[in-house]
Amino acid sequence: NSKVIQTPRYLVKGQGQKAKMRCIPEKGHPVVFWYQQNKNNEFKFLINFQNQEVLQQIDMTEKRFSAECPSNSPCSLEIQSSEAGDSALYLCASSLSGTNTEVFFGKGTRLTVV
Amino acid sequence: GDSVTQTEGLVTLTKGLPVMLNCTYQTTYSPFLFWYVQHLNEAPKLLLKSSTDNKRTEHQGFYATLHKSSSSFHLQKSSVQLSDSALYFCALNPGGYKVVFGSGTRLLVSP
Repeated sequence: NSKVIQTPRYLVKGQGQKAKMRCIPEKGHPVVFWYQQNKNNEFKFLINFQNQEVLQQIDMTEKRFSAECPSNSPCSLEIQSSEAGDSALYLCASSLSGTNTEVFFGKGTRLTVV
Repeated sequence: GDSVTQTEGLVTLTKGLPVMLNCTYQTTYSPFLFWYVQHLNEAPKLLLKSSTDNKRTEHQGFYATLHKSSSSFHLQKSSVQLSDSALYFCALNPGGYKVVFGSGTRLLVSP
């Protein structure tokens, strides 16, 4: 069973609304990734963290998306102003390190923007 | 840049038949390859991993061998079951806190 916990499992928002999802990484995993999985099942990397620090993020994340991984709190990904094209499965993953190791996924948050 | 290619989008088979799902990759770094399986409404789960050239790795009846000479890490099973119906993703960790995924192959096994 997945030890990465994502909430909520489903999220429905209107266009222009904020959408926020949370992730508790596996215990002891300092590296956290967020991916967007579209309707064609393709993975799109959004952002990653090591502890509380952002390592890498794509342009999309820099503009409308915000994310954080505060100490002793769940990580979160928030879309400031949802668009129809944001409808997707958002997957959080964690790993022991970012190099030469697998990542462990949560079940995801399915966002539908109506 | 780093990339992973899965050529089949959909593979349909009758149970009991063998399967091979293709995966090739490009990287200038030392490759660490993975296969993940994602069942409906479930998290992607690690199926296999390897960074050793020409060594077969196996799990749950699936196996794959990393061939650095051909940049391949094909997934195989000798006899598929109904429960193997799922999405299969090949992924590459080239280091540097990156994991690159292929586009996925949906395997449908019929009775």
